[in-house]
Amino acid sequence: SQTIHQWPATLVQPVGSPLSLECTVEGTSNPNLYWYRQAAGRGLQLLFYSVGIGQISSEVPQNLSASRPQDRQFILSSKKLLLSDSGFYLCAYTTGPGAEAFFGQGTRLTVV
Amino acid sequence: GESVGLHLPTLSVQEGDNSIINCAYSNSASDYFIWYKQESGKGPQFIIDIRSNMDKRQGQRVTVLLNKTVKHLSLQIAATQPGDSAVYFCAERVDNQGGKLIFGQGTELSVKP
Repeated sequence: SQTIHQWPATLVQPVGSPLSLECTVEGTSNPNLYWYRQAAGRGLQLLFYSVGIGQISSEVPQNLSASRPQDRQFILSSKKLLLSDSGFYLCAYTTGPGAEAFFGQGTRLTVV
Repeated sequence: GESVGLHLPTLSVQEGDNSIINCAYSNSASDYFIWYKQESGKGPQFIIDIRSNMDKRQGQRVTVLLNKTVKHLSLQIAATQPGDSAVYFCAERVDNQGGKLIFGQGTELSVKP
């Protein structure tokens, strides 16, 4: 069966520190992968998506970057966190056009 | 730009009543419209979707209606239960752009026993 893993579940980081959030998918090949950010009480904002290894599309200019070093691994990074990077980060995947999107359980990031 | 928005941020209904959650969208090129349910502290869960060439689709206790003329989407929940309490998001998907989902702000549904 297909599953998606995202970690850590919560993270508190100081301003200026680096960030690395990891997402992995099991049970499928060549998924489309997505990173979303959700502010409190708001909808989900698409940050990055990837249709293959090394292929990253950025949706909004920001302090973050994404990488896809392996087919089923998607990483969200920052060299220096800002207070405004705080939020709930969600990884998701789809298996192709018309397919349902499945979300991870999310990472609650607090930058202090 | 592309956007999907919701008319009402909160909705309170009595247990057993029907709920209707509304959504407006702006991108006519979307291939699918989808409803997600999100419980506190969790990722969104798929409820139901509808292709852009359909106007109605039914699931278990849920119905999605799509009105392309006025760019309006709605989710109807029959016999609402306390377990339906959550935030509901509509989203649109564009398959020729990596299948990316564009989400609306969300409506918080509260079911009173």
